[in-house]
Amino acid sequence: GAGVSQSPRYKVAKRGQDVALRCDPISGHVSLFWYQQALGQGPEFLTYFQNEAQLDKSGLPSDRFFAERPEGSVSTLKIQRTQQEDSAVYLCASSLDPGQGSLRQYFGPGTRLTVT
Amino acid sequence: DQQVKQNSPSLSVQEGRISILNCDYTNSMFDYFLWYKKYPAEGPTFLISISSIKDKNEDGRFTVFLNKSAKHLSLHIVPSQPGDSAVYFCAFTGGGNKLTFGTGTQLKVEL
Repeated sequence: GAGVSQSPRYKVAKRGQDVALRCDPISGHVSLFWYQQALGQGPEFLTYFQNEAQLDKSGLPSDRFFAERPEGSVSTLKIQRTQQEDSAVYLCASSLDPGQGSLRQYFGPGTRLTVT
Repeated sequence: DQQVKQNSPSLSVQEGRISILNCDYTNSMFDYFLWYKKYPAEGPTFLISISSIKDKNEDGRFTVFLNKSAKHLSLHIVPSQPGDSAVYFCAFTGGGNKLTFGTGTQLKVEL
């Protein structure tokens, strides 16, 4: 079956623009995660959904970052008024259920955001 | 504060030899430990994991060792193959769902 897909794969935004990044998780996966990976670093947690409920948004760096998953499947990460420090790869991951299955997360290829 | 450290940013190994990747952590609340592998322009893929109640887990050429007293995790790959060349991340979870990742080690397996 299909894995996690993300679009766009690459996005260039001018500073101050709003961007929206899309994630299509594996069908049937309950849990969905967003991570931010800066150059030369490991992925860092942003937010977590269980179905449509956003249970943890402790990693969102500012109120310019907003994520939603209204129907419990596709998710969108929105960044308002982008800044240069937002330049990173944004990774989406899904897992089967909130229990043991969450320990194995399946990652998409990421969206590379460059803010100029 | 950096809870997870991979002190070797890169490692070069000859094909057929053993690759040993290391990871140190500070958070004693971590209870599950994973290794992910990442190729360029792809997302990380799960490799192997171990729970805190074990000290070793093996899957084919890959073995993960956990030393809880030293807060040290390692991954052994033997024999190493050119296709193993990638960035390896250790990752941890403790009482929740989110993963905390290390900074990664670039492994290069040379012919």
